[in-house]
Amino acid sequence: AQTVTQSQPEMSVQEAETVTLSCTYDTSESDYYLFWYKQPPSRQMILVIRQEAYKQQNATENRFSVNFQKAAKSFSLKISDSQLGDAAMYFCAYRSAEGGSEKLVFGKGTKLTVNP
Amino acid sequence: DVKVTQSSRYLVKRTGEKVFLECVQDMDHENMFWYRQDPGLGLRLIYFSYDVKMKEKGDIPEGYSVSREKKERFSLILESASTNQTSMYLCASGWVTGEAYNEQFFGPGTRLTVL
Repeated sequence: AQTVTQSQPEMSVQEAETVTLSCTYDTSESDYYLFWYKQPPSRQMILVIRQEAYKQQNATENRFSVNFQKAAKSFSLKISDSQLGDAAMYFCAYRSAEGGSEKLVFGKGTKLTVNP
Repeated sequence: DVKVTQSSRYLVKRTGEKVFLECVQDMDHENMFWYRQDPGLGLRLIYFSYDVKMKEKGDIPEGYSVSREKKERFSLILESASTNQTSMYLCASGWVTGEAYNEQFFGPGTRLTVL
């Protein structure tokens, strides 16, 4: 079974600075998808960024980018120019690319605090 | 915009009560999911459904059942609520695998307290 590990329960960053959240995963599959989800306080979880394992190029969405290291099974999230609205729980998630496997496996989350 | 709604944001029940949590999505998604979120444990899948009347157990199905009579609605049932089921419950939905990414869309959550 696949597992996802987020080794940082809590992180903090100064506004306008850059922060990197770590995620590692364990799988024997060669094709899969990886996601970062954001859950602001008392608000709905939303997708931040996603990566297909067969794509070597790291995904980027505005201030959010990932460092995907397939051999190391590492998928970190970098937030540039941090804003107060980035404060949230961040979850890393894995999904198999096998047909019929829509289930997501989540890490335990990292709570990000942004200091003004 | 995709909308996933849950019947209650906060719910307080007593031990032994039968509890229904409702989830509705408006995007004609085939897949629907129920997760439980606990501090330090992340999200754990309870059940999911890939079609009307179809369901599959997730990682922690014990003490729960589900019902999906209509495509847009997925209910989580606690047959006899216990204090260890006090938690945040999140519903999610998404399209069937076939596309590249198959994002899951989440509801706002129901914080259930069992006394």
